[in-house]
Amino acid sequence: EIVLTQSPGTLSLSAGERATLSCRASQSVSSTYLAWYQQKPGQAPRLLIYGASSRATGIPDRFSGSGSGTDFTLTISRLEPEDFAVYYCQQYGTSPLTFGGGTKVEIK
Amino acid sequence: EVQLVQSGAEVKKPGESLKISCKGSGYSFTSYWIGWVRQMPGKGLEWMGIIKPADSDTRYSPSFQGQVTISADKTISTAYLQWSSLKASDTAMYYCARLLGYSFALGWFDPWGQGTQVTVSS
Repeated sequence: EIVLTQSPGTLSLSAGERATLSCRASQSVSSTYLAWYQQKPGQAPRLLIYGASSRATGIPDRFSGSGSGTDFTLTISRLEPEDFAVYYCQQYGTSPLTFGGGTKVEIK
Repeated sequence: EVQLVQSGAEVKKPGESLKISCKGSGYSFTSYWIGWVRQMPGKGLEWMGIIKPADSDTRYSPSFQGQVTISADKTISTAYLQWSSLKASDTAMYYCARLLGYSFALGWFDPWGQGTQVTVSS
């Protein structure tokens, strides 16, 4: 099973700042098969990125994903108030599908 | 609009059985796998398993194999997650989600259902 480790656990930033979230895999994720999700309190997760760097429909371009192999990054170029949430990565290159433990982006 | 609508919150006692549902609409239900994901209180997301409604081919996470049963009724575009004997540790939010992707039984999830809260307490 591929273990995904997300860091930091919590990111304290102000609106307008840049957020950089990391997702590290215990072994190489085939073909950049990595997705990112956003989850707000009391809501279901929402797909942001798939294929490591492809934005899902309707996702603003301030969200970008990059990386390959074992190291992946989600970047939010300028935080908007609605971006404060928990973010999860998920690999789908190998079964079982696995999620990272999440990074909480909170208001500083 | 592609939508997954889940059944309502449940409160059960340990040892009871339960079946929750996830109804798809706005797309060809038999063309995509449906997955189930657990989120325990204050915790992260855990993949439980997936089912292909067209033929009910089912794959389970090793962590959930034998603990739950995933099924589907393609005639009513509905997938199910079932327990035969609930435990207090099954208390969690359960999400269904459509699986997208290019590889067999592997992919990302979009969209997600609204979630079903299951509470198991004596």
